[in-house]
Amino acid sequence: DVKVTQSSRYLVKRTGEKVFLECVQDMDHENMFWYRQDPGLGLRLIYFSYDVKMKEKGDIPEGYSVSREKKERFSLILESASTNQTSMYLCASMSQGALNTEAFFGQGTRLTVV
Amino acid sequence: SQKIEQNSEALNIQEGKTATLTCNYTNYSPAYLQWYRQDPGRGPVFLLLIRENEKEKRKERLKVTFDTTLKQSLFHITASQPADSATYLCALGSGTALIFGKGTTLSVSS
Repeated sequence: DVKVTQSSRYLVKRTGEKVFLECVQDMDHENMFWYRQDPGLGLRLIYFSYDVKMKEKGDIPEGYSVSREKKERFSLILESASTNQTSMYLCASMSQGALNTEAFFGQGTRLTVV
Repeated sequence: SQKIEQNSEALNIQEGKTATLTCNYTNYSPAYLQWYRQDPGRGPVFLLLIRENEKEKRKERLKVTFDTTLKQSLFHITASQPADSATYLCALGSGTALIFGKGTTLSVSS
């Protein structure tokens, strides 16, 4: 059974803290994505990666960075957490190349910044 | 600017009817379009993919159409059931990125 696993289901952090959200996939997928989801705004792409050590900005990268040191792991970093980063964060992975692909999502991390 | 729009935030229908959801896009030329289902508190789950050279795709009670001239995809659920109640998201491939619409929340009442 294919899997995308996010390290935490719920997280509460203080303003100004450095926050790491981890995502691991076991499908040997090239592409990995980080989204945040907010009511009325839908899923918005923060960053994505198409290979180890490669990263591309999505629509809302400000305040975030990412790391992809190994193919199976894609980390999202909030350098200095702020209350407007309270959200549901979703990681996804997808195979590259063939058009007959689908994205697999993790269960999500609900982050609250207080 | 680039946009993906799902025409309504919420759709309420009666059990047994056909639900039709719309996804429109502007300033994209996607090679494919996908539809996902999302239940509260969970990640989206893939349902169907349709390529730019395909007009229609079916899977059980689901049907997707893709009109690249109108820049529109329609997603149909026939003989809808209360268990179909969920949020449905369309997504398109833009280069290596996967971009989502805001979703339509479908409620099927018995």
